[in-house]
Amino acid sequence: DAGVIQSPRHEVTEMGQEVTLRCKPISGHDYLFWYRQTMMRGLELLIYFNNNVPIDDSGMPEDRFSAKMPNASFSTLKIQPSEPRDSAVYFCASSFGQFSTFGSGTRLTVV
Amino acid sequence: ILNVEQSPQSLHVQEGDSTNFTCSFPSSNFYALHWYRWETAKSPEALFVMTLNGDEKKKGRISATLNTKEGYSYLYIKGSQPEDSATYLCAFMGDYKLSFGAGTTVTVRA
Repeated sequence: DAGVIQSPRHEVTEMGQEVTLRCKPISGHDYLFWYRQTMMRGLELLIYFNNNVPIDDSGMPEDRFSAKMPNASFSTLKIQPSEPRDSAVYFCASSFGQFSTFGSGTRLTVV
Repeated sequence: ILNVEQSPQSLHVQEGDSTNFTCSFPSSNFYALHWYRWETAKSPEALFVMTLNGDEKKKGRISATLNTKEGYSYLYIKGSQPEDSATYLCAFMGDYKLSFGAGTTVTVRA
C-alpha cells in the first residue's frame, strides 16, 4: 500500500485565491483526519470523517475553510479565499482502529 | 479546546542515557491517549495508543505509562540513541475531540 497520499506537496498562492488540498486515504480505513501545523499553534485537528461523514468540524478555523469526502478514497480541504495566515503544513491522516497513518503533508504558502 | 500539556518543551540527552517526559491531559471524559514520534520533514509516526488506566506499552527502547485518574502519561526512552532525536507528541481523545500537546523535542548527543 502506498500509504496516505496528499497532493500537492507544496502550494504557493496569492492572497484571495482558492486553494484545494487533496488526500487519498489508505484503502479500508474508515476514519480520515485533516490537521494543520503552524509554529504558533502546533498541530491542530481541523475536521475528521467517519465512513465519509463529517463527525467533528469544530477545529475548522472559519467559514473560508471547507472539507468534503465524496467517497471512501478521496477527500479535499478547500480554502476560499486564502489569506497569508493560512500558511501552514496541512496533514491528512487515515485510520482503521486506533492507529492513524499520516500523509506527507502539503506545505501551503499564501503570499 | 482541551488542555494538553507536555513538559519539558525540549531536552538534550547524552547517547546511552535514559530519559522521560510528561503529557498532562484532562482527567474527565477520557477515551484514549496517543503518542506520536515526529522527525523533522517526515510525517508523525504513531507509537502507542493507550486506553486503560495503568496501561503500560513498550516498543523497543521506548515505553509509556498511563494514569487516567490524575491525567498524565510518561514516555520513557532507555539508552537513548541519536536516531531517537525527534519531537514526541501526545494527543488526548475525549468527548469526541482530539487535542495535541505542543510536543517534547528530544536531541540525543553522540
